Amino acid sequence: AQSVTQLGSHVSVSEGALVLLRCNYSSSVPPYLFWYVQYPNQGLQLLLKYTSAATLVKGINGFEAEFKKSETSFHLTKPSAHMSDAAEYFCAVTARNRDDKIIFGKGTRLHILP
Amino acid sequence: KAGVTQTPRYLIKTRGQQVTLSCSPISGHRSVSWYQQTPGQGLQFLFEYFSETQRNKGNFPGRFSGRQFSNSRSEMNVSTLELGDSALYLCASRQEGGRAYNEQFFGPGTRLTVL
Repeated sequence: AQSVTQLGSHVSVSEGALVLLRCNYSSSVPPYLFWYVQYPNQGLQLLLKYTSAATLVKGINGFEAEFKKSETSFHLTKPSAHMSDAAEYFCAVTARNRDDKIIFGKGTRLHILP
Repeated sequence: KAGVTQTPRYLIKTRGQQVTLSCSPISGHRSVSWYQQTPGQGLQFLFEYFSETQRNKGNFPGRFSGRQFSNSRSEMNVSTLELGDSALYLCASRQEGGRAYNEQFFGPGTRLTVL
């Protein structure tokens, strides 16, 4: 079975500062990992995904995440926060099985301080 | 390609009523999943349909049901509504086969309020 834990339901950073959103996963089989972003009154949009190629994954809007098997982590980072990054971010995991469901974390709301 | 569409976008019902929500996936996508999103519980998986068959199911009571049609459009139904069913219901579709087959594309959701 798979599970995801996102540390911190709310994170605040100043504009221009480093963004770090934490995600730890649990999976009995090699996983696929995802980060999604949700803006107000919208559905979720895929930021990036790890599918066993490079462990450092680059996504849209300057975000990237690193898969660390030894730490069972998949933290999301961005070097310099922008006001438009304010949104809710979800980490998700699924097994590498086409029939498996995707499990989401509870989300982290990112606040950008001017 | 048009994205995932959900109708209606907003719905207000009273306790005890039933409701049907609709989802049209991206053209060519045959898998449709439904999620319930609430502030306290986050995103919870309801069920997934593929080729008109339920392939996966979450831990929700039998009041929550769904179906998928031959054109891949899906509906979910909630009977005997409770106050706790107030939530944003999200639908997502994905391709089958290929490297991207686990990537889900989400609709904007249906906001259900139960009074």
